[in-house]
Amino acid sequence: GAGVSQSPSNKVTEKGKDVELRCDPISGHTALYWYRQSLGQGLEFLIYFQGNSAPDKSGLPSDRFSAERTGGSVSTLTIQRTQQEDSAVYLCASSLGGYNSPLHFGNGTRLTVT
Amino acid sequence: GESVGLHLPTLSVQEGDNSIINCAYSNSASDYFIWYKQESGKGPQFIIDIRSNMDKRQGQRVTVLLNKTVKHLSLQIAATQPGDSAVYFCAETTNDMRFGAGTRLTVKP
Repeated sequence: GAGVSQSPSNKVTEKGKDVELRCDPISGHTALYWYRQSLGQGLEFLIYFQGNSAPDKSGLPSDRFSAERTGGSVSTLTIQRTQQEDSAVYLCASSLGGYNSPLHFGNGTRLTVT
Repeated sequence: GESVGLHLPTLSVQEGDNSIINCAYSNSASDYFIWYKQESGKGPQFIIDIRSNMDKRQGQRVTVLLNKTVKHLSLQIAATQPGDSAVYFCAETTNDMRFGAGTRLTVKP
């Protein structure tokens, strides 16, 4: 499809394990965003990429969280030593770049840490 | 820090009525605003946007109003339908995009 694709759609992991979440943006979109959404809550900004660089990492909650983007396309969000409070839906979005381009979202990865 | 927020967390309307969802923002440097709709189990979907050089923009059944003097944004939905039931977010953009907490709209048949 032509939309933003995220995988897996659901992930259940044990506390202390590492997880990797993947985002395939829309082809040609230079900007990529990661957000976190807890149940019934708003969107918490995590990180933003322009191309392969991340000018704004201010939203990453701790050093257990990291993200990378390669080839200006696919991005992975890694959470090390997962904790129960990491349970949430992780949303990825992409845009053409520039501050006035709307974001196009994937359907998210629902992460449950047991 | 500066933030985007919403006045009303929930809104319930009768089918066919008009809905108004409000949003306050505090970053006076923001000059681009978007409304998103999020249905259960899905990512937010773009509804309508507005730049700061405008105070009103209309789409199909939706109108966004921007009042820069009081830093207020609203989304008006005409003839609300059951399919409009969702959570609505406003967002402002400077270098990145920050979202408000969202308003849940419920449409009663």
